[in-house]
Amino acid sequence: AQRVTQPEKLLSVFKGAPVELKCNYSYSGSPELFWYVQYSRQRLQLLLRHISRESIKGFTADLNKGETSFHLKKPFAQEEDSAMYYCALSGSGAGSYQLTFGKGTKLSVIP
Amino acid sequence: DSGVTQTPKHLITATGQRVTLRCSPRSGDLSVYWYQQSLDQGLQFLIQYYNGEERAKGNILERFSAQQFPDLHSELNLSSLELGDSALYFCASSAEGPANTEAFFGQGTRLTVV
Repeated sequence: AQRVTQPEKLLSVFKGAPVELKCNYSYSGSPELFWYVQYSRQRLQLLLRHISRESIKGFTADLNKGETSFHLKKPFAQEEDSAMYYCALSGSGAGSYQLTFGKGTKLSVIP
Repeated sequence: DSGVTQTPKHLITATGQRVTLRCSPRSGDLSVYWYQQSLDQGLQFLIQYYNGEERAKGNILERFSAQQFPDLHSELNLSSLELGDSALYFCASSAEGPANTEAFFGQGTRLTVV
């Protein structure tokens, strides 16, 4: 079974401080990992995926297969980063690529 | 705009009733996924359709059903509604395949059961 754990429900940081949103996963095969973001009253949108190894809005995430983690990081938080962040895993079991989401972490950036 | 359209945006109904939620995927996407977002359970995968066929089932109750039509739009039917079914229901679509697993989400339908 695939599972995604985000241990922090809420994370508050000051503007300009570093941010790390934690994500651990459980999956028997080779998963694809994603971070989705949901700004207030907006739809879920993809922030980044491990396979592309890119940085979006200053955020990066590295897949650590040994620790089964995919933590999201940003060196300097900005007020507009305040949102709900969901870590998600996509497996290819039975040819389906549905996403399994963590419960989300609400990031609050304090001015 | 993700290109995924969900209607209605809001729905208020009484317990025991039946409702239908509609989703139009992005142009060209063959896969449609339904998710339920509630405060206590987070985002739960319900069901996936691919080109009209059911592809995967998640935590979907027997009172719920879905289908995908030839024009690829999908409907989620919720019946014998209970207070606990109040949630935000998201639809997502993707092009499917290992290189195309990004899912694009609609804005959701907020269902309130009273």
